[in-house]
Amino acid sequence: DTGVSQNPRHKITKRGQNVTFRCDPISEHNRLYWYRQTLGQGPEFLTYFQNEAQLEKSRLLSDRFSAERPKGSFSTLEIQRTEQGDSAMYLCASSLSGEGSPLHFGNGTRLTVT
Amino acid sequence: SQQGEEDPQALSIQEGENATMNCSYKTSINNLQWYRQNSGRGLVHLILIRSNEREKHSGRLRVTLDTSKKSSSLLITASRAADTASYFCAFRMDSSYKLIFGSGTRLLVRP
Repeated sequence: DTGVSQNPRHKITKRGQNVTFRCDPISEHNRLYWYRQTLGQGPEFLTYFQNEAQLEKSRLLSDRFSAERPKGSFSTLEIQRTEQGDSAMYLCASSLSGEGSPLHFGNGTRLTVT
Repeated sequence: SQQGEEDPQALSIQEGENATMNCSYKTSINNLQWYRQNSGRGLVHLILIRSNEREKHSGRLRVTLDTSKKSSSLLITASRAADTASYFCAFRMDSSYKLIFGSGTRLLVRP
């Protein structure tokens, strides 16, 4: 068990560019979550996968955001036409099924849009 | 928008003192969890309390839950400098898979 891995750790991009982040969850975990966190705030939910199915998506997520989890393993989060307001830490977490299963978080990808 | 609020927003104590953080929420829940986050890192799960429990202990951590007041508290006893971190409560609404996080308490333990 190597934990949840996220790549890259940091990403600096210019406004208008597209970016893609990757998350490798703990291998036996079938639930995968994406969150966004800005300085001094708690994580904000973006989307949730059960295996390969995207079951819930935040209304905060605009059309510029898309997430996939092909084959129910790793996941990618893409942001198109980035804006300065997208600058944040993007956190991925995974868990087993079952009420109360704790989330295991990666160390996040810090995005800076200039 | 956050549906969980924590207070205080920041807390500074001396090593050896106890630290108490409070969380309030607005909906019915099945359980409430507490997480810790060191600067620049991901969150780490600390403890879970179910809606039919009133108090739970884990090492130096004590969590209480009052579902009638929709509130929970986390007590860290005999604090250490290594406890310096942000602490978040988190819960699920009955009809949702997502875990909603509070706004967090930033704890500083001075050596």
